[in-house]
Amino acid sequence: DAGVTQSPTHLIKTRGQQVTLRCSPKSGHDTVSWYQQALGQGPQFIFQYYEEEERQRGNFPDRFSGHQFPNYSSELNVNALLLGDSALYLCASSVGLAKNIQYFGAGTRLSVL
Amino acid sequence: GQQVMQIPQYQHVQEGEDFTTYCNSSTTLSNIQWYKQRPGGHPVFLIQLVKSGEVKKQKRLTFQFGEAKKNSSLHITATQTTDVGTYFCAGALYNFNKFYFGSGTKLNVKP
Repeated sequence: DAGVTQSPTHLIKTRGQQVTLRCSPKSGHDTVSWYQQALGQGPQFIFQYYEEEERQRGNFPDRFSGHQFPNYSSELNVNALLLGDSALYLCASSVGLAKNIQYFGAGTRLSVL
Repeated sequence: GQQVMQIPQYQHVQEGEDFTTYCNSSTTLSNIQWYKQRPGGHPVFLIQLVKSGEVKKQKRLTFQFGEAKKNSSLHITATQTTDVGTYFCAGALYNFNKFYFGSGTKLNVKP
């Protein structure tokens, strides 16, 4: 039973570029949440997808967008990258919209130069 | 502003000593979760507390949820080197299906 998988594990981009991160949820899970974790900080909620729709959003600009596919996998897109976007991006999957247990993937480490 | 505050930021203990981290919210929480993140790893779910005044135990770990559902604590008895990592609380508000993570308490255990 595969857990939450994220790709790629590491990524280096330059300012102004665009990036797409991918997440496959744990088997049986239908909800995906994305978090940004800066070094030495707690994860910050970006948004949540359920039934292919964005259901909740944190305090992040429109440069951050996402998508959920019919198989429940999800993508996080960030446009016009800034140096401050350098962080660990975590995907967490859960069941439904209730405040259930979240299972986190290993994350994608994004460095913006 | 930050919804959930967590203290202390760091804690260094000798193996065998106890450890406690505290989580506080200015707003009543619907529930609270605790996670552990090992160095270089990702958050791993430990426990969820839902009821006012709830206390749950997992071996040497004791979790409490305050009566007003605005604070929580994690206490580890007789720490071991395997307890090393950062412990995060994550609180959820009523009517919002998202979790606000604290900034974490980094625990270092000296053998």
